[in-house]
Amino acid sequence: EPEVTQTPSHQVTQMGQEVILRCVPISNHLYFYWYRQILGQKVEFLVSFYNNEISEKSEIFDDQFSVERPDGSNFTLKIRSTKLEDSAMYFCASSEGVNYGYTFGSGTRLTVV
Amino acid sequence: DQQVKQNSPSLSVQEGRISILNCDYTNSMFDYFLWYKKYPAEGPTFLISISSIKDKNEDGRFTVFLNKSAKHLSLHIVPSQPGDSAVYFCAASETGANNLFFGTGTRLTVIP
Repeated sequence: EPEVTQTPSHQVTQMGQEVILRCVPISNHLYFYWYRQILGQKVEFLVSFYNNEISEKSEIFDDQFSVERPDGSNFTLKIRSTKLEDSAMYFCASSEGVNYGYTFGSGTRLTVV
Repeated sequence: DQQVKQNSPSLSVQEGRISILNCDYTNSMFDYFLWYKKYPAEGPTFLISISSIKDKNEDGRFTVFLNKSAKHLSLHIVPSQPGDSAVYFCAASETGANNLFFGTGTRLTVIP
């Protein structure tokens, strides 16, 4: 069964450093997403991406965040200058369309120290 | 601003019995609802969905019921199996929007 792949599974970074979280969505999917889950809290929407541009973003997705689909296969989330409160599980997801069930990756646990 | 609420953080059910997971929402513009299941160290897995034009959708052991007037939906699992033990998230979206709002999840434990 097709799956969304995320790397790395765990990333530890120093506060203020830049991190790039990588995702390979399902190949025939057109919509891509990043969500995050801070430990013990709900899954929160960050950003959606369609047709090579951001289609929606949440208040969390400020200027420190950016997304890119550099080569038609990878979908990356960059955090320019990490803060302690960025520590969370980051999930990438993709879907065939807006009202289709999303397929999530297994997540990247980001720990900012 | 919690637009999707799952008020029961946990639920324990005996194997073979029915599990009922509840979800409430506040945004009347939501018209598409989904349930996801999440095992530890894995991403959420899509389970079942329902659009607001229906009040029930069934897929095997899983049935989702939608009560639009009460802004309430529920997921029924029958019969419950130990492998169903996971965290279940309710999610909602509105037509044309490209994001989902998740509830905080309910941890279901099915006791053998």
